[in-house]
Amino acid sequence: AQKITQTQPGMFVQEKEAVTLDCTYDTSDPSYGLFWYKQPSSGEMIFLIYQGSYDQQNATEGRYSLNFQKARKSANLVISASQLGDSAMYFCAMRGYSGGGADGLTFGKGTHLIIQP
Amino acid sequence: NAGVTQTPKFQVLKTGQSMTLQCAQDMNHEYMSWYRQDPGMGLRLIHYSVGAGITDQGEVPNGYNVSRSTTEDFPLRLLSAAPSQTSVYFCASSYSRGSTGNTIYFGEGSWLTVV
Repeated sequence: AQKITQTQPGMFVQEKEAVTLDCTYDTSDPSYGLFWYKQPSSGEMIFLIYQGSYDQQNATEGRYSLNFQKARKSANLVISASQLGDSAMYFCAMRGYSGGGADGLTFGKGTHLIIQP
Repeated sequence: NAGVTQTPKFQVLKTGQSMTLQCAQDMNHEYMSWYRQDPGMGLRLIHYSVGAGITDQGEVPNGYNVSRSTTEDFPLRLLSAAPSQTSVYFCASSYSRGSTGNTIYFGEGSWLTVV
């Protein structure tokens, strides 16, 4: 079974500061992927960044980077220079690729990020 | 290219009524899935399909039926709605099980209230 843990239910951050959203995971699957999604108040799921378990380098996508520490089973999302529009729910998710068990994304409970001016 | 289309966007049901949430994709994706999102929770997998004619259960399948007669469509049926099924439902699709990154497409969600 796979499990995602996000320990920060909510965060308040000043605009332009960097933000780190924590995510730890547990899986017995040797091949897996880690995803971060943003969910604004309008409700849609917006893909932010992806890290494969065999990727050697940490993923980056513009202001988003993923701090992947495989031995510690953590995949923290870092948002540089936060903006008011970053206020949203953020979900960490994972998917196993080796087969067996239900096939789909396993999500954490999310972190509600509020950027203050 | 419409992506993943869910209908209806909003629905209010009475306890015991039945309904179908529709999901369609035009990307020729083999893999489709349904999730529900409850307050304070992430998305949880209800059912999924790895191709036409093949469906399987996810984490929370009770109270829901699915079928996959075509590659494009993956409807979710509530046979006898219960208040516990009040939730936001998301349909997702991807080319295959191994799809990574931004190649998993979500619909915009369907808000269902059962009274």
